[in-house]
This record gives sequence, C-alpha cells and structure tokens, in this order.
Amino acid sequence: RKEVEQDPGPFNVPEGATVAFNCTYSNSASQSFFWYRQDCRKEPKLLMSVYSSGNEDGRFTAQLNRASQYISLLIRDSKLSDSATYLCVVNMPSFQKLVFGTGTRLLVSP
Amino acid sequence: GAVVSQHPSWVICKSGTSVKIECRSLDFQATTMFWYRQFPKQSLMLMATSNEGSKATYEQGVEKDKFLINHASLTLSTLTVTSAHPEDSSFYICSATLGGLEDTQYFGPGTRLTVL
Repeated sequence: RKEVEQDPGPFNVPEGATVAFNCTYSNSASQSFFWYRQDCRKEPKLLMSVYSSGNEDGRFTAQLNRASQYISLLIRDSKLSDSATYLCVVNMPSFQKLVFGTGTRLLVSP
Repeated sequence: GAVVSQHPSWVICKSGTSVKIECRSLDFQATTMFWYRQFPKQSLMLMATSNEGSKATYEQGVEKDKFLINHASLTLSTLTVTSAHPEDSSFYICSATLGGLEDTQYFGPGTRLTVL
C-alpha cells in the first residue's frame, strides 16, 4: 500500500461547482497533514494545514478522519483559477519526513 | 515572509558535467532544508534532509556521492549533481522550515535540469 494515495483525476468541473478530493494515508502515527497546490511546472504552495477538528479557509474546507486514515479537501464555488494539481501531504514521524501524494488534477472550465 | 529562492531556475548541460543548485531562505533562518526531485506526472520525492552544519541525511536509493549537499549556513544549502546524465533530468525543488519537521515547509521555485 502506498504511504499516501490520491485519485489522480483529472476532475473536470464547471465554474461554480463544488468538488471534493480524498486522500488516504498508511501510517496511523502521522500527526501533520497538509494540502498543497501545484501549478504546472511550478513549486508546490501550501493551501492549508489539516486539523483534527476540521478547518475552513474561504471556499476551502479540509477534514481529517483519523479512524479511517483519510483527509479530504472540499472546494466550493470553483473558479477558473482553481485549476491546478492538489497534493496531499502527510508526515511520517518514524522516518522524520513528509510524504507527498501524486496529486489530484482539477480542471475548472467556463 | 518565509521566502525561499533557488538558482538557477533552469539549466541545460552536457552529459558528464556537474551542476550546482542553490537554495536560499531570504527572510528567515532555516535550520532544516529539504531537497526533492519531481519527474513529469509524478509526485515530489524527497532526496535528502539537510541540517545546517551537519551531514545531510539521504533517502534510500539516493546516491550521496552523486548528489552532494552542503548546508554551510542557516540561509543557504546547495545541491551539486555530479557527472550528470540524461536520467538526472528532472525538476529539483528545495524547501526550508523554521525549525523541526512539524513546521510548514516553504518551497523554492524549483530548478529544471535538462542533461543532454
């Protein structure tokens, strides 16, 4: 089983749609979780950290389910500028490193 | 705040030459820097973790003699790809943290290396 798994997509949605991504992780000892956004041929940029109680930042909502070991990202009212690859990132405490998922590609069309 | 720069942003070199990539934290002191590599349509893969003043910790499968890392100061880490070959062509990205793995990682803009 991969350490971090994501559906690669692409998810094709119209502007204004709501879209959700899930990510599963294998190490139950992981404590830190993040969603990063990566545009084509660019570096990843932190979108938001994911907290146990769930957190919201504008149109973006992240949730963590420790029992099932998955993380979700919900994007409401999609904009064209949301088109990007969304990376799920989890820390691996026993190896002291962050592990990146392969990313989920989102395409928002007019 | 928390800006990380990389230089060069892209480089093309002949097979067999060495290439040095610099990673700088511009407005903070980075106790730890990380070097990643990303091949097309693949995830970022951690190559090594670099702490200022000590030897880098390399991930399994990454040749330490081929990818030389130097973290001489709290604001600068360098990655040298020695005797580069076409299979080393990739997107190399560094990141830096303020302290400890739990801190957010701030990424540099990446360096695209093409080896002919």
